[in-house]
Amino acid sequence: DAMVIQNPRYQVTQFGKPVTLSCSQTLNHNVMYWYQQKSSQAPKLLFHYYDKDFNNEADTPDNFQSRRPNTSFCFLDIRSPGLGDAAMYLCATSEERTKETQYFGPGTRLLVL
Amino acid sequence: SQKIEQNSEALNIQEGKTATLTCNYTNYSPAYLQWYRQDPGRGPVFLLLIRENEKEKRKERLKVTFDTTLKQSLFHITASQPADSATYLCALERDDYKLSFGAGTTVTVRA
Repeated sequence: DAMVIQNPRYQVTQFGKPVTLSCSQTLNHNVMYWYQQKSSQAPKLLFHYYDKDFNNEADTPDNFQSRRPNTSFCFLDIRSPGLGDAAMYLCATSEERTKETQYFGPGTRLLVL
Repeated sequence: SQKIEQNSEALNIQEGKTATLTCNYTNYSPAYLQWYRQDPGRGPVFLLLIRENEKEKRKERLKVTFDTTLKQSLFHITASQPADSATYLCALERDDYKLSFGAGTTVTVRA
């Protein structure tokens, strides 16, 4: 089945220790998104890739970076995680920018100690 | 500023009854609105999309209405079942093809 896969499902890191979360998709979609979702809050868009074009949200901290080496994979790098970065990180795809539906992965729960 | 508000209280209903969820928005002019379901510890799953020129959309036991004058969408789950227990998120199209999500309403259906 075509899908969006996120690894790992749970990640524990230490305060200030860089961490990378990964997302892969078998849908061959052009657009990939990264969202941050804290408990009982709305998913918040961090950035997205349209093909190779990177689009940052204005309020995304510099601490968050992303890489998309090819169509299938996208990575979220948190350079110096703080306690406030503990959250669920959701990867999503859509076929094109003009295609409205987004397909989400299961998420990675990040814990910062 | 832009705001999306969903029922802040969780909804507890008896199996077989209809659940009605509200999504109100301010300072958006969405061309469409979507509803997603999110189970605990999982990513959202798309349910329905309704466009600004559509008043109502149905899918099986789900019904969505969209009133651009009131700036409100209602989401109905009819003949609810315990398996419908989840958090339901509304999402609005921003003016740049991206989505803005509400915080969701948690529905619990009692057997």
